[in-house]
Amino acid sequence: NAGVMQNPRHLVRRRGQEARLRCSPMKGHSHVYWYRQLPEEGLKFMVYLQKENIIDESGMPKERFSAEFPKEGPSILRIQQVVRGDSAAYFCASSPPAVRPGELFFGEGSRLTVL
Amino acid sequence: SQQGEEDPQALSIQEGENATMNCSYKTSINNLQWYRQNSGRGLVHLILIRSNEREKHSGRLRVTLDTSKKSSSLLITASRAADTASYFCATDERTGGFKTIFGAGTRLFVKA
Repeated sequence: NAGVMQNPRHLVRRRGQEARLRCSPMKGHSHVYWYRQLPEEGLKFMVYLQKENIIDESGMPKERFSAEFPKEGPSILRIQQVVRGDSAAYFCASSPPAVRPGELFFGEGSRLTVL
Repeated sequence: SQQGEEDPQALSIQEGENATMNCSYKTSINNLQWYRQNSGRGLVHLILIRSNEREKHSGRLRVTLDTSKKSSSLLITASRAADTASYFCATDERTGGFKTIFGAGTRLFVKA
């Protein structure tokens, strides 16, 4: 049973370009979470999605950031017109269907560097 | 919002010693979890303790939860160099649905 798969593992973008980060949850998991981590810091919640539905996006910046989890295919975190401050590690986690979150299964992260 | 706050921020011990990390949180919770992160890697779940539990063990790990003080501790006994990692506590927070919020972490360094 493959774990949570994130790609790309490393992404370099110039200011103003777009970054797309993909996350395939574990088999049978219908909930996906995106977190952002700066060096030597904890994880900051960004967004919580179920298939075709955004449950909580309170941690998402109001502009340039969007996330989706379509019926088919991976979840996508999209950052438009990237700036240097977007450089960070972005982690995806998944969990099985549940009323309240329990154990989260994490991918290895996508490290975005904005030049 | 930052739900869990770990203490200390960093801890350096000798192999064989015990390591204790603390976590405080702000709102009522359903459960509290501890995760481990090796440098450059994703987080790995260690243990989950429910709000009606006071203590839980898993191998060399012992977790306590005091809901009256809104605090938890993680004890790693007989530490090994391989335990060197960052440790995070995480709690669930209700805003519409539920989301898991992580603290800033404790960086543990175990010297061989």
